[in-house]
Amino acid sequence: DVKVTQSSRYLVKRTGEKVFLECVQDMDHENMFWYRQDPGLGLRLIYFSYDVKMKEKGDIPEGYSVSREKKERFSLILESASTNQTSMYLCASTQTGTGEVETQYFGPGTRLLVL
Amino acid sequence: QQQVKQSPQSLIVQKGGISIINCAYENTAFDYFPWYQQFPGKGPALLIAIRPDVSEKKEGRFTISFNKSAKQFSLHIMDSQPGDSATYFCAASPGFQKLVFGTGTRLLVSP
Repeated sequence: DVKVTQSSRYLVKRTGEKVFLECVQDMDHENMFWYRQDPGLGLRLIYFSYDVKMKEKGDIPEGYSVSREKKERFSLILESASTNQTSMYLCASTQTGTGEVETQYFGPGTRLLVL
Repeated sequence: QQQVKQSPQSLIVQKGGISIINCAYENTAFDYFPWYQQFPGKGPALLIAIRPDVSEKKEGRFTISFNKSAKQFSLHIMDSQPGDSATYFCAASPGFQKLVFGTGTRLLVSP
């Protein structure tokens, strides 16, 4: 079974703090994604990565950055946390298909509260 | 153009009934339409998916109906069970392994 793990289930941070959310997958997947999930808004893509050291902006990248130094690990960074970044953060991974859209496998999520 | 509109936001169905969730899209370049199921405290997981070259796909009690001309697709859950209570997300792919998700439907199946 594919396993996607996220470093924390719950985090409480102060406004202005730098926050690191870590995601690790164990299936040698090329592609990794960070989403935020908010009630009534669904899942919105923040950043994604097709390979090590490669990253592309999603739909809502403002206030976030990412790092992918190893294939299995994809980090989301909040440079200076703000209260409007209070949310559930979900990481996902997928292999690169041969022209097909592959299943995205999600981690359990990190619920971040910024005070 | 990249949006997927999902309705209803929440749904209560009696055990044994049919649950129906609808989604609509504008971008005709979308070429893959999955549904993901999310239980509390868990990440979403793929439930069933369809490509636009077929009008229906059935897996057990779960069926996707797809109307390409109307740019709509829906999830039907037959004989709904309390264990089906979860949040359901429709999605569409613009390619490159990306997905655009709907806003989610919280389904409660009452015993």
